[in-house]
Amino acid sequence: AAGVIQSPRHLIKEKRETATLKCYPIPRHDTVYWYQQGPGQDPQFLISFYEKMQSDKGSIPDRFSAQQFSDYHSELNMSSLELGDSALYFCASSLGAPGTGLYEQYFGPGTRLTVT
Amino acid sequence: GEDVEQSLFLSVREGDSSVINCTYTDSSSTYLYWYKQEPGAGLQLLTYIFSNMDMKQDQRLTVLLNKKDKHLSLRIADTQTGDSAIYFCAAKTDKLIFGTGTRLQVFP
Repeated sequence: AAGVIQSPRHLIKEKRETATLKCYPIPRHDTVYWYQQGPGQDPQFLISFYEKMQSDKGSIPDRFSAQQFSDYHSELNMSSLELGDSALYFCASSLGAPGTGLYEQYFGPGTRLTVT
Repeated sequence: GEDVEQSLFLSVREGDSSVINCTYTDSSSTYLYWYKQEPGAGLQLLTYIFSNMDMKQDQRLTVLLNKKDKHLSLRIADTQTGDSAIYFCAAKTDKLIFGTGTRLQVFP
């Protein structure tokens, strides 16, 4: 079965550079979530999109932005990168509007971002 | 906001049962989930329970929910070395809030 695809899988950037992470949800899934997992930490919710509109916002820094496109894929744009942005970034997808009952979030393999 | 707590480590012998515990604070959480994360890998949804259920069994996995105490547990029967991973519980209100994760180590 198709899963959530994230690219790239690994990314190395220097401080103050920008990075773009991409997420391709499971076909027919209309909701995308982004999470940040620091070393030894639990995943922290960043932002979500439902039907190309931002549906919820968590602890996402102002330096980050994201959007969901017409084909439902999503991109997380990160600017002025800092050392503390080094983490594993997960994308998850689900079917149906967040908050409307059970939604099983299926996670991608993650993008490991290293900022040097 | 919601706060989800777990113990950090659990070590069991192969073949024994493992019980991973989780507490949460928001009584309006509608669904509670267990995710498994193997080293360097993504999060795999193992099972979930709806807040009006007390128990759910799925093969070797048993989820118990004490809604009054806001306590959730995951029991893994006949634990195998392949079960070694970090287990996250997550509570859903309008978004998923993850616990701190429990590292399960299974030794022969």
